[in-house]
Amino acid sequence: SQKIEQNSEALNIQEGKTATLTCNYTNYSPAYLQWYRQDPGRGPVFLLLIRENEKEKRKERLKVTFDTTLKQSLFHITASQPADSATYLCALDGAGGGADGLTFGKGTHLIIQP
Amino acid sequence: NAGVTQTPKFQVLKTGQSMTLQCAQDMNHEYMSWYRQDPGMGLRLIHYSVGAGITDQGEVPNGYNVSRSTTEDFPLRLLSAAPSQTSVYFCASSLGQGSYEQYFGPGTRLTVT
Repeated sequence: SQKIEQNSEALNIQEGKTATLTCNYTNYSPAYLQWYRQDPGRGPVFLLLIRENEKEKRKERLKVTFDTTLKQSLFHITASQPADSATYLCALDGAGGGADGLTFGKGTHLIIQP
Repeated sequence: NAGVTQTPKFQVLKTGQSMTLQCAQDMNHEYMSWYRQDPGMGLRLIHYSVGAGITDQGEVPNGYNVSRSTTEDFPLRLLSAAPSQTSVYFCASSLGQGSYEQYFGPGTRLTVT
């Protein structure tokens, strides 16, 4: 079955530095990969989507890479701010090509220290 | 747009009781789904729908029923609540073909005693 691994330990980064989160997956070749942000007590919020034929995607201070050979995605937040503190989830499309929901990793808790 | 709305926000049930978690979206999305989120387990797909009248099972469907009579609404029914169903439930919707980012509701925190 599909397996998605994200660093379960909290990641502490100093304000202004670049935070890099990792998402590894096995037993699957997804057509795309997504990243979400989740704040305590709230639902996940979509951030970025990257397709299998794309190496990199950017949005403001966010950058996502997708290496289908390594079966890995990296999520970068540059010039990090305390407001970026949250849990970040990666998700892969389901076996039905995405229409039937996503498979989520457990998330990485990011803490940006002022 | 209100986006995806869920009711109630909190619910306490006794074992064996039944209830319906409501979910509605006003974005005219064809695709809707239900997830549960448990500590250490992440989000897991319960049921999903690709359009009105069409539903299918996800990863953890046992103990839950769904129906999709309209594009806007996708209720989740707990038939006979069990303590193992204590969780936070999220409803999500997405556009059809070509765009799969999910829009999540605020969640329902359910406790079964």
